[in-house]
Amino acid sequence: NAGVTQTPKFQVLKTGQSMTLQCAQDMNHEYMSWYRQDPGMGLRLIHYSVGAGITDQGEVPNGYNVSRSTTEDFPLRLLSAAPSQTSVYFCASSFGQESSYEQYFGPGTRLTVT
Amino acid sequence: SQQGEEDPQALSIQEGENATMNCSYKTSINNLQWYRQNSGRGLVHLILIRSNEREKHSGRLRVTLDTSKKSSSLLITASRAADTASYFCATPREGGSYIPTFGRGTSLIVHP
Repeated sequence: NAGVTQTPKFQVLKTGQSMTLQCAQDMNHEYMSWYRQDPGMGLRLIHYSVGAGITDQGEVPNGYNVSRSTTEDFPLRLLSAAPSQTSVYFCASSFGQESSYEQYFGPGTRLTVT
Repeated sequence: SQQGEEDPQALSIQEGENATMNCSYKTSINNLQWYRQNSGRGLVHLILIRSNEREKHSGRLRVTLDTSKKSSSLLITASRAADTASYFCATPREGGSYIPTFGRGTSLIVHP
């Protein structure tokens, strides 16, 4: 199993550009989520999904869109990039059951917006 | 908003010493998790403790949970240079969810 994969690893955008960060998992997990990590701020939840076709907002959703058309994929779209979105983005997945709370994280995408 | 907060923010010790980091949280929880993050990598799950447990061990890791004080501690015994990383506690989001919230983390440096 590849686990959770994210592409690209690094990306530089100009202000106003749009892009999609890809996330995929091959563990048949129902729950998937996107976090951003900034120095001194820890991980903040952007959006999450509890299954195909179901998404919800986290703590910092503004400027981001998500969709979940399959169990495996959960892309994050930046609509119009801003310098405040410079961050490291992590995708995570889990079974979403009381028998297993463990989150599996991808390697991250480091995004710089100039 | 963040439910759990780690303390201290940074910890520097010598190889062979024990490292203790703490997590305090605000509302009642049914589980608490600890994760490790090596520099530039994704988080890796270390251990989960449920609200009906007081202590749990995994190798050189010992986790305690005090629900009356709303706090948890992670002890790493006989630290190694390879334990250098950031450590995060994760608690269920307010309102209940399988998507946890994470604290800001404790940065541990173990000097060889």
